[in-house]
Amino acid sequence: EDKVVQSPLSLVVHEGDTVTLNCSYEVTNFRSLLWYKQEKKAPTFLFMLTSSGIEKKSGRLSSILDKKELFSILNITATQTGDSAVYLCAPEGGSQGNLIFGKGTKLSVKP
Amino acid sequence: NAGVTQTPKFQVLKTGQSMTLQCAQDMNHEYMSWYRQDPGMGLRLIHYSVGAGITDQGEVPNGYNVSRSTTEDFPLRLLSAAPSQTSVYFCASSYSLSGANVLTFGAGSRLTVL
Repeated sequence: EDKVVQSPLSLVVHEGDTVTLNCSYEVTNFRSLLWYKQEKKAPTFLFMLTSSGIEKKSGRLSSILDKKELFSILNITATQTGDSAVYLCAPEGGSQGNLIFGKGTKLSVKP
Repeated sequence: NAGVTQTPKFQVLKTGQSMTLQCAQDMNHEYMSWYRQDPGMGLRLIHYSVGAGITDQGEVPNGYNVSRSTTEDFPLRLLSAAPSQTSVYFCASSYSLSGANVLTFGAGSRLTVL
């Protein structure tokens, strides 16, 4: 059975802190891994990773995929209150080739 | 370009009633899907479609029907609502980025079944 585990489930930090969010997965027919940010409404796309060791960066956010150890991390540096959200990890694969979502990490950034 | 549009945003039903959640996209995406999101459970796939006339079941299809008569529309039907179907429902369509399906979500529909 395909499995995606995100940790921690929730995290409270202060502005300016650096955070690391973890995602481990066991997914058949793995093709790629996507990260989404969900504030109060719909998830929005952040990153897509397909190859190990490739670090994707977008401003203060970066992400790495390790296809050998089956995990990905999402780093956020110099956190701001606007980073408060649930971050979802979603490997693409499984028997049907769809996105399989983890339960998410709820990040709260306090001023 | 409206993206993915879902209606209604909120709905309250009584047990046993039926209803349809509407989903439309104007991006000419072939792939569309429906997810439900429950506290502590993450997003779970209900049904999906890879093109007009083609649908398939996801992880939690029981109690739901879908059809895809056009590329733009992908309605989700609840046949006989049950309290266990109280949830937030998201419709999504996807484009391909380097071979991966990147989902674009609608704003969600919050359904309460009494």
